[in-house]
Amino acid sequence: DAGVIQSPRHEVTEMGQEVTLRCKPISGHNSLFWYRQTMMRGLELLIYFNNNVPIDDSGMPEDRFSAKMPNASFSTLKIQPSEPRDSAVYFCASTFRGRGTEAFFGQGTRLTVV
Amino acid sequence: QQQVKQSPQSLIVQKGGISIINCAYENTAFDYFPWYQQFPGKGPALLIAIRPDVSEKKEGRFTISFNKSAKQFSLHIMDSQPGDSATYFCAAGLMDSNYQLIWGAGTKLIIKP
Repeated sequence: DAGVIQSPRHEVTEMGQEVTLRCKPISGHNSLFWYRQTMMRGLELLIYFNNNVPIDDSGMPEDRFSAKMPNASFSTLKIQPSEPRDSAVYFCASTFRGRGTEAFFGQGTRLTVV
Repeated sequence: QQQVKQSPQSLIVQKGGISIINCAYENTAFDYFPWYQQFPGKGPALLIAIRPDVSEKKEGRFTISFNKSAKQFSLHIMDSQPGDSATYFCAAGLMDSNYQLIWGAGTKLIIKP
């Protein structure tokens, strides 16, 4: 298995632009997480999906952030409009709930908003 | 109730030495305590995890020590190697609700050759 695949790996955008981050979880996994990592705040859970349904989005910082999971093999995290303080590394992780709790992380998307 | 405090923030250890990273949690309901290892440019990866029914778990050079009464757990890396240089995160949560992991702030470990 190729693991969790995220794209793009790097994204530089101007303030006010829309940004879409993409994630393909490991095949067979039924839980998906979006995390944000910064030096100041560490690793923060943004949203959690189980069986493609958003279960907990309390970590989504603002209405500018939205996430979707249209099917078991694809999820997106969208920021519209983007702001410089959104600059961070965004990770997607997946796991199979009910088979232990190890979360498998993708390599992340480094987002820079200028 | 939901914090996990991790220390130190950074650590430099000589090759062959013992690296020790500590974490403390507050919620006594937590029953799952993993450590994740993250290399630059990569996502975190599970290194080792422990449940509160044991006080120690060892996997190769990596050992978790768990003190339930003190609500503390630590990672020990024996015979530390330059390849162990990474950022280490502790976390705590509920085994049946893995999305509720509470993460420590991370420790940047550097092993000097």
